[in-house]
Amino acid sequence: DTGVSQNPRHKITKRGQNVTFRCDPISEHNRLYWYRQTLGQGPEFLTYFQNEAQLDKSRLLSDRFSAERPKGSFSTLEIQRTEQGDSAMYLCASSSFGQTPLSYEQYFGPGTRLTVT
Amino acid sequence: KQEVTQIPAALSVPEGENLVLNCSFTDSAIYNLQWFRQDPGKGLTSLLLIQSSQREQTSGRLNASLDKSSGRSTLYIAASQPGDSATYLCAVRSNNAGNMLTFGGGTRLMVKP
Repeated sequence: DTGVSQNPRHKITKRGQNVTFRCDPISEHNRLYWYRQTLGQGPEFLTYFQNEAQLDKSRLLSDRFSAERPKGSFSTLEIQRTEQGDSAMYLCASSSFGQTPLSYEQYFGPGTRLTVT
Repeated sequence: KQEVTQIPAALSVPEGENLVLNCSFTDSAIYNLQWFRQDPGKGLTSLLLIQSSQREQTSGRLNASLDKSSGRSTLYIAASQPGDSATYLCAVRSNNAGNMLTFGGGTRLMVKP
């Protein structure tokens, strides 16, 4: 399977704990995006990378949220001191950046569902 | 700030019916628009992408149109099947919003046998 993968698929944690999610993009894609989706809503953008550079982190929800993509391949999203309001689906997407019109199409992974108790 | 709205929020139709899902956006300065399908508890599957210079895209029983000047897109599904039951989301990439997609709230479709 050469699609976007995310791990874990489900995470249950207690309030105040730190959690980390991993995303592996499509191998030839150099752009990687993180979104959050709460129940009944469309996804909302959090941050994105081009290769290892984080080019937009203005939409990260608070300073408890951080993301890395150290080698320009997989990425991690960390939430520190989780709160019940952080319960949501966290989606990762990837795209290529090139000359063809479809190069900006974003392909999504299956998501990580976080439940904070 | 770009805002995307989808109407209706939910739709139930009998199998075989043709149907139209609507998407509107407030800022017409967009780079492209994507339609996605999402099954319950799952990620998003890209259905169609329309560049701002295009008027429509087709894939099988799906046809998406784009009227950028009026800020509207429609997704037409022909001869609906129970397997089409899912939430359909539209998303726009705006010219002045970097590479983020702005999503609508989705239309939850149920096709009854």
